[in-house]
Amino acid sequence: SQTIHQWPATLVQPVGSPLSLECTVEGTSNPNLYWYRQAAGRGLQLLFYSIGIGQISSEVPQNLSASRPQDRQFILSSKKLLLSDSGFYLCAWSGGQGNQPQHFGDGTRLSIL
Amino acid sequence: QKEVEQNSGPLSVPEGAIASLNCTYSDRGSQSFFWYRQYSGKSPELIMFIYSNGDKEDGRFTAQLNKASQYVSLLIRDSQPSDSATYLCAVGGAQKLVFGQGTRLTINP
Repeated sequence: SQTIHQWPATLVQPVGSPLSLECTVEGTSNPNLYWYRQAAGRGLQLLFYSIGIGQISSEVPQNLSASRPQDRQFILSSKKLLLSDSGFYLCAWSGGQGNQPQHFGDGTRLSIL
Repeated sequence: QKEVEQNSGPLSVPEGAIASLNCTYSDRGSQSFFWYRQYSGKSPELIMFIYSNGDKEDGRFTAQLNKASQYVSLLIRDSQPSDSATYLCAVGGAQKLVFGQGTRLTINP
């Protein structure tokens, strides 16, 4: 069966520091991968998605970037965090065929001080 | 801009009753429809999906889709306190989903 791993579970970072969040999927090949952010009490905001290695689509132009160095690995990065980057970051995967459900990792709660 | 609208609630339902959650969407070309449950502090969990007009039942859950009215709903029968959560409606195209803001449901014992 497929599983998705996301770490760390919680992270406290100072303003201006870099960020790297990692997500890996097991049990499937060539998945679509997604990064979302959820502010407290709000809906899911799609940040990036990828349909293959090295293919990244950005939905929201911010000081964040994403990379997919391997088929089942998706990384969210920032060079300098802002206070507004605080939130609950969720990685998700779906089958590559289109119109498939997305399955979420446990998320990373990021607090910027 | 593709939009998915949900009543944010809170929706309060007595234990054992039917909870009805509703969602409308703007993109008439949408092809896939999903309901997720999200407990406070946790990630969303897929509970139902539907692709065709009509009803789809899975245990206590029934998803209903009306593409002509651009409307999808989720019914929860015999509501339990453990059903208290935020329910997210998501509408899909080829590669992406658009999520609603979610409806907070509270089941009162």
